[in-house]
Amino acid sequence: EPEVTQTPSHQVTQMGQEVILRCVPISNHLYFYWYRQILGQKVEFLVSFYNNEISEKSEIFDDQFSVERPDGSNFTLKIRSTKLEDSAMYFCASSEPPAGPFYGYTFGSGTRLTVV
Amino acid sequence: AQSVTQPDIHITVSEGASLELRCNYSYGATPYLFWYVQSPGQGLQLLLKYFSGDTLVQGIKGFEAEFKRSQSSFNLRKPSVHWSDAAEYFCAVGNNAGNMLTFGGGTRLMVKP
Repeated sequence: EPEVTQTPSHQVTQMGQEVILRCVPISNHLYFYWYRQILGQKVEFLVSFYNNEISEKSEIFDDQFSVERPDGSNFTLKIRSTKLEDSAMYFCASSEPPAGPFYGYTFGSGTRLTVV
Repeated sequence: AQSVTQPDIHITVSEGASLELRCNYSYGATPYLFWYVQSPGQGLQLLLKYFSGDTLVQGIKGFEAEFKRSQSSFNLRKPSVHWSDAAEYFCAVGNNAGNMLTFGGGTRLMVKP
């Protein structure tokens, strides 16, 4: 079964540093997403990306966040200057909405980011 | 704005007992509804989803859920719980564009032997 792959599984970074989280979506999917889950809390939507631009973003997704699809396979989330409160599990997802709403919507296993 | 409420933060059931996890949603149109399960430190696994049609939906691992429009609910059920079902369960509602999920706060299920 096709999978969304996220690397690394764990990342520790110092406060103020830039971090890039990487995701390889399912190959024929066209929509890409990032969600985050602060420890013990609910999963929160960050951003959706289609056709090389952001299609929707939440209030959480402020200027310190950016997303990019640098090539035909990767989808990245960059946090410019990490803060302690950015510590969370970050989930990537992809889907194929032209085939139907939420068609094939699949989450990766997540990257646990710890800011120290 | 769409929202999801899971009223029970923790539930403990005995192995072999039946289970019902509650989920209430708020959404202006016909909702797309989902249940996910998350084991500790793991990702999100889709249990089942409702888009339209039969209001009783069957999922994996013996779970089912019933959509009740009049109550704005989508409760998850299982007739006989196994110890391996201990995990956190999240209900979610999707938007009309088919690209964004809003999750509830989750229900942590513990199973007593």
